[in-house]
Amino acid sequence: GAVVSQHPSRVICKSGTSVKIECRSLDFQATTMFWYRQFPKQSLMLMATSNEGSKATYEQGVEKDKFLINHASLTLSTLTVTSAHPEDSSFYICSAPARLAGGDEQFFGPGTRLTVL
Amino acid sequence: GENVEQHPSTLSVQEGDSAVIKCTYSDSASNYFPWYKQELGKRPQLIIDIRSNVGEKKDQRIAVTLNKTAKHFSLHITETQPEDSAVYFCSTTDSWGKLQFGAGTQVVVTP
Repeated sequence: GAVVSQHPSRVICKSGTSVKIECRSLDFQATTMFWYRQFPKQSLMLMATSNEGSKATYEQGVEKDKFLINHASLTLSTLTVTSAHPEDSSFYICSAPARLAGGDEQFFGPGTRLTVL
Repeated sequence: GENVEQHPSTLSVQEGDSAVIKCTYSDSASNYFPWYKQELGKRPQLIIDIRSNVGEKKDQRIAVTLNKTAKHFSLHITETQPEDSAVYFCSTTDSWGKLQFGAGTQVVVTP
């Protein structure tokens, strides 16, 4: 199956700093990747769609200037949380669709646990 | 946009019994309905999926049913085991490939 990696797996930072999270498709190309945020005991909420070679599209209520997305290649998307604050502490997960056996299954990265002090 | 509702939020079952989780969705254009199992601190894992041209699908102890007219789909787990304990999410994918998740069901299987 397709493999998606994320780095780092865990990050602790001070309030006001910026944090970059990388999402890579290891054995397939992904022109589209998705970024989700999951607070404790809650569901995954889609934040934005990352598009290779063009601007990301953001879901309603997600600040594009705070959550910067760059999809510079067919295997890498990055999410930068700018000027992070404690309320940004969450589990961030990326996914990429891969057409395997005629399907369009989404493959998830292992997630990044962000803690802002 | 799509709205996915999931019930129940928690489900406790005795080992060996069946568990059923139900979801409804609002967007009639949705055509792909995956179910995910998520253990604490881990990524969601696809356990079964169904497409809009099929009414039912089964994989060993897991089955999913879809009623497109009523916009309902359900997950059935039979002969539950302690390792089935996790949070389960239903979801739908629109034509853009965007996944919308239900709120999740915490399943606890007691021995």
